[in-house]
Amino acid sequence: TQLLEQSPQFLSIQEGENLTVYCNSSSVFSSLQWYRQEPGEGPVLLVTVVTGGEVKKLKRLTFQFGDARKDSSLHITAAQPGDTGLYLCAGVGNRDDKIIFGKGTRLHILP
Amino acid sequence: KAGVTQTPRYLIKTRGQQVTLSCSPISGHRSVSWYQQTPGQGLQFLFEYFSETQRNKGNFPGRFSGRQFSNSRSEMNVSTLELGDSALYLCASSAHGTGFNYGYTFGSGTRLTVV
Repeated sequence: TQLLEQSPQFLSIQEGENLTVYCNSSSVFSSLQWYRQEPGEGPVLLVTVVTGGEVKKLKRLTFQFGDARKDSSLHITAAQPGDTGLYLCAGVGNRDDKIIFGKGTRLHILP
Repeated sequence: KAGVTQTPRYLIKTRGQQVTLSCSPISGHRSVSWYQQTPGQGLQFLFEYFSETQRNKGNFPGRFSGRQFSNSRSEMNVSTLELGDSALYLCASSAHGTGFNYGYTFGSGTRLTVV
């Protein structure tokens, strides 16, 4: 069974600090996406990465797909209270078309 | 343009009853996927429909079923409700078949509580 493990589960930091959250698997994924979900709402797509080693930037957010396409990271520079939310990674398995979501990292930025 | 609309937003049902949830995708989107979200298991894929055909199915019992209409609107049904079915049910639409690869737009979900 393919799994996506996200770490840390919870993270609470001060505004202005930098942080990195991780999404790891022992399996290869053909593509991987990151979403942010706020309370009472559905997840919102942030980025899709497809190529091993790919790096994408979205303002203060930097996403990287591992060379072997088994892991990904999300780095936030100078975190702001508006970054607070549940960050989810999701992937499509390389061996089948099963869609898998990690359980998420709950991020809280203190003003 | 209007987003993905899920109705109702909240629902309370009794064990053993059945429930139908509705999802209207973004206009022009033909792929609709359903997910169950719980604190313990996170988001779990239920099924995906494209042009009224089920394209992909997750590992849920047969009590969970769905369908898609010619206007791309979708419904999911859960029969013989169990306490463990309490969850946030999310619908996601995409413009393309195999919607995940092109990025989902999620609705706000239906929160189902089974008592």
